[in-house]
Amino acid sequence: QSALTQPRSVSGSPGQSVTISCTGSTTNVGAYRFVSWYQQYPDKAPKLMIYDVSQRPSGVPDRFSGSKSDNTASLTISGLQAEDEADYYCCSYAGNFTYVFGSGTKVSVL
Amino acid sequence: QVQLQESGPGLVKPSGTLSLTCTVSGVSITSNSWWSWVRQSPGKGLEWIGEIYKTGTTNYNPSLKSRVTISLDKSRNVFSLRLRSMTAADTAVYYCAKTVSRFDPWSQGTLVTVSS
Repeated sequence: QSALTQPRSVSGSPGQSVTISCTGSTTNVGAYRFVSWYQQYPDKAPKLMIYDVSQRPSGVPDRFSGSKSDNTASLTISGLQAEDEADYYCCSYAGNFTYVFGSGTKVSVL
Repeated sequence: QVQLQESGPGLVKPSGTLSLTCTVSGVSITSNSWWSWVRQSPGKGLEWIGEIYKTGTTNYNPSLKSRVTISLDKSRNVFSLRLRSMTAADTAVYYCAKTVSRFDPWSQGTLVTVSS
């Protein structure tokens, strides 16, 4: 069960948009709509930002959005803010009652 | 609101067994949710360990299945993790989380170090 593939880092200036990809396979991302995204600050627990591909929990700013195409899910942060600088992880249901996380992406705000 | 707090030793000897407990507050552990353990090795990504349902049904990461047992105690509203035959590779921050196709909320995490 290999980790989903994410870019190690992405960066953008305040106000810009950045998109993080999460590439899996036909047995996980491509097969189910149970894709979620988590934001993690250093030495803190992850926080749910997106679930079921594109649903936003209450309290999460609407500049965070999610989508999926074939075996790749994406998280887009629009109107990038300094507080968005963190690590982001995707996660997908992988069948057979298991889950797999992505490798993680560091978002830097220039 | 729902809160989770893990407890257990922060140091385990090589070949020993890790035992962690996650105390759930704000919701009954018999609600229609699964309850998961996730870990994160220092400087690395997240790894799902396994989950348990109120019926005692469990699902485990295939890579850890032979060494893991997750159980629950309805009377105390807690669920627990046991990981046997620990090695340095099991050194990580261990989290517990409520699971309904996603992990939310999470506990604060506890660092477990494997060392003699």
